[in-house]
Amino acid sequence: AQSVSQHNHHVILSEAASLELGCNYSYGGTVNLFWYVQYPGQHLQLLLKYFSGDPLVKGIKGFEAEFIKSKFSFNLRKPSVQWSDTAEYFCAVKIPQGGKLIFGQGTELSVKP
Amino acid sequence: GAGVSQTPSNKVTEKGKYVELRCDPISGHTALYWYRQSLGQGPEFLIYFQGTGAADDSGLPNDRFFAVRPEGSVSTLKIQRTERGDSAVYLCASSGQVQETQYFGPGTRLLVL
Repeated sequence: AQSVSQHNHHVILSEAASLELGCNYSYGGTVNLFWYVQYPGQHLQLLLKYFSGDPLVKGIKGFEAEFIKSKFSFNLRKPSVQWSDTAEYFCAVKIPQGGKLIFGQGTELSVKP
Repeated sequence: GAGVSQTPSNKVTEKGKYVELRCDPISGHTALYWYRQSLGQGPEFLIYFQGTGAADDSGLPNDRFFAVRPEGSVSTLKIQRTERGDSAVYLCASSGQVQETQYFGPGTRLLVL
């Protein structure tokens, strides 16, 4: 069965610091990969996704993620975080033909002003 | 029109009671998904519909849980004989097709006393 592991449960950064959130998945075949974000009091929103092609994908609000197939990883990065990036971030994987998203447990990001 | 909507936003019930949770997907979306999110965890897949039929119900925890989508639009998640362990946020998502991005609603927070 597929699973997703997010290494950091809670990350605390100061504004302008660089961010990298780890995500690893277990599945040997082709996958679609996603990062979702949940801002305080809001519902889950898509940050970015990878289906195929260039393994470096850019999303909204300056976020990017790199798919490294050999490492089964899809880490999320942002060069300079802002206080407004405070949120919970979820990595998810899906088999292309199926509908089920498998989520990691989430990483809570707190950005200090 | 607007995004995915879910009603009620909060539901408090007593152990053993029956509850219904409603999801109204984005207009025109053929695929609809239900997830459950417990505190401190990522969303966990329950079931998804392609049109009126359940394409994958492998995530339903037991036969107390049932979902319908009789006209291929609105869906209802039904929980019989609720237990305290059913307390969670129940999320609904929809997508244009199964292969496409899932858009999430705000969730229904269920508390079983």
